[in-house]
Parts: sequence; structure tokens; C-alpha cells
Amino acid sequence: SYELTQTPSMSVSPGQTASITCSGDNLRNKYIFWYQQKSGQSPVLLIYEDNKRPSGIPERFSGSNSGNTATLTISGTQSVDEADYFCQAWDSSTGVFGTGTKVTVL
Amino acid sequence: QLQLQESGPGLVKPSETLSLTCSVSGDSISSSDYYWGWIRQPPGRGLEWIGIINYRGITYYKPSLKSRVTLSIDTSKNQFSLKLTSVTAADTAVYYCARLTVVPYCAGDCYFRYFDFWGQGALVTVSS
Repeated sequence: SYELTQTPSMSVSPGQTASITCSGDNLRNKYIFWYQQKSGQSPVLLIYEDNKRPSGIPERFSGSNSGNTATLTISGTQSVDEADYFCQAWDSSTGVFGTGTKVTVL
Repeated sequence: QLQLQESGPGLVKPSETLSLTCSVSGDSISSSDYYWGWIRQPPGRGLEWIGIINYRGITYYKPSLKSRVTLSIDTSKNQFSLKLTSVTAADTAVYYCARLTVVPYCAGDCYFRYFDFWGQGALVTVSS
């Protein structure tokens, strides 16, 4: 079955840039979606179709997808960005979520 | 504003069937622009895609769960449901229902896009 791999955790200082990666076979030929999940809350769509932001998502969130790796970038990270981040793709009509990355802002 | 709400028993015994319903308000569930899905999250762990269904009852399931999962839809009640049979402790999780946007003019996997509205989640514990 298809797999998406993410770094389990990372720390970032306020104001710095956080880069969260998602790896999978032939990923550039798939659309990648990113979700943010804060503690005790439901996931929220953050990025769709590799690099598009839904209405209401701050501009500091951006995405890219190249080769076998997709990247979610948080520019000027804020304390409110502390959360779990999950990538997601489709393979043979089956949804696949990445393993998730816990981002700590300190 | 679209809202989704999961409902069902919070405790299920091992070997029995887990049943959850997602009630949708704020829009009709009968649209060709969307599928409706279930995702679960074991305590302290990541998200797991379970399956999706559209208003016609067309379904797609995670292969490893396919033998135990059934999704159904009731357009008259604006609800869709999940049944998971022969549960074990490994099925203990928060179960989310969500709306999936699709793109009718795109064939293959590009047809499926993103989950843009999620329910608040329902914790189901499997224990005797």
C-alpha cells in the first residue's frame, strides 16, 4: 500500500521558518493536501492541490511539491502554529495520510 | 455554514459492531460535487483514512479494512453512516466524519481532492 512519511517532530523558534516534509513514491504526480490539527481539535485544511490556501488561512503558510517530496513551509512561525501537521494524497482511489509532524514553537 | 456531527455509542465490546452516524446540516448531502468520508485517529497517533461514499452510494474503502467496513447514506435524513464489524482494542479511536470535495471533470485520482469540513469527532472505546 502507498505510504507517506513525515518527520515525527520538530522545534522552531518564533519568527523563524519551519519546513515540514512529506515523502512518497512519485509524489510529484499527485496532489498533496496539508491539514493542521491543534491539540484536542479536529483537523483543518491548510493547503490544497500542493500550494493553494483556502480562504482564511494566513499567507505565512505555503506548499510545494517536487520529485518525491512535498514541503509545507511556515514563514515567521507564531506560537499559535504549534500543532500536528498531516499531509494527504490519493492512490488508486484510496486516501492516504502522512505519519504526521508535531511542531513545537519555543 | 456546513456542520457535521458524529453520533453513536462511545463504548463497544470486542467482537461486536461499531456504528456511527454523521448528521450534516447547512447544505444538502445530495450533490455530485462531494463525497462524504470517515477518518479515525487512535489516541496519541495519526490520522487513518477509512472510506468515502457519495449520494449515489458509491463507496471506496481502505483495503486493509474493506472486509469489516460498510458505509451507507440516507439522503432523506441528510446523514451517512459507518459500520465496522468484529472490533478489537486496535479500533479504539476518535472517529471523524468529513466532506470531501471532488472534481467531476478529472479522471483517476485527481478526481478526489480535499476534506474541507470535519465533524468534532467521536471517541469510541473498544473494551469489555
